[in-house]
Amino acid sequence: GNSVTQMEGPVTLSEEAFLTINCTYTATGYPSLFWYVQYPGEGLQLLLKATKADDKGSNKGFEATYRKETTSFHLEKGSVQVSDSAVYFCALSEKANAGGTSYGKLTFGQGTILTVHP
Amino acid sequence: EAGVTQSPTHLIKTRGQQATLRCSPISGHTSVYWYQQALGLGLQFLLWYDEGEERNRGNFPPRFSGRQFPNYSSELNVNALELEDSALYLCASSLWYTEAFFGQGTRLTVV
Repeated sequence: GNSVTQMEGPVTLSEEAFLTINCTYTATGYPSLFWYVQYPGEGLQLLLKATKADDKGSNKGFEATYRKETTSFHLEKGSVQVSDSAVYFCALSEKANAGGTSYGKLTFGQGTILTVHP
Repeated sequence: EAGVTQSPTHLIKTRGQQATLRCSPISGHTSVYWYQQALGLGLQFLLWYDEGEERNRGNFPPRFSGRQFPNYSSELNVNALELEDSALYLCASSLWYTEAFFGQGTRLTVV
């Protein structure tokens, strides 16, 4: 079955530091890959996505590249802010097809807690 | 545009009782998903409804059930509550070919 493995946390950084959160996956076929973020007391928000190999997803200064050869989708940001403190989830879904599966049926990693200090 | 809304925000039940959680999807979305986020266990897929039918089910016992109404809103029912059912239950909606958008969740506490 599908699985997603994230680097163990928590991760603590100073403001303006470089961030990397590692994510690797196991899946049949060619899944779509996502990063979701959960701020304290809130639901999940989609941060970025990539639907095929070598695609780069980006949003709010965060980036991740779909690497089929290493089955990875590492999240990076060049300069983190205190407001980036949250839990980050890597996730995958099988390719959507009518009546079959859906981008919304996700397999999540265990989540990585990020704390950024001023 | 309104996002995914869930009710209630918090729910406290006694072991053995039944809990009913509700979800209203984003307007136009036909798919609704339920996820359980238990402490330390990450997010687990529970159920997927699309166009009123159950399309897929995660590895949960039958006492977890639900339905989707003609207006695409959804209910999750948990029967015979156990202490380990205490968790944040997240609902998400999408079209089947688009990414999912999540609600704020219902915090279920079983005492």
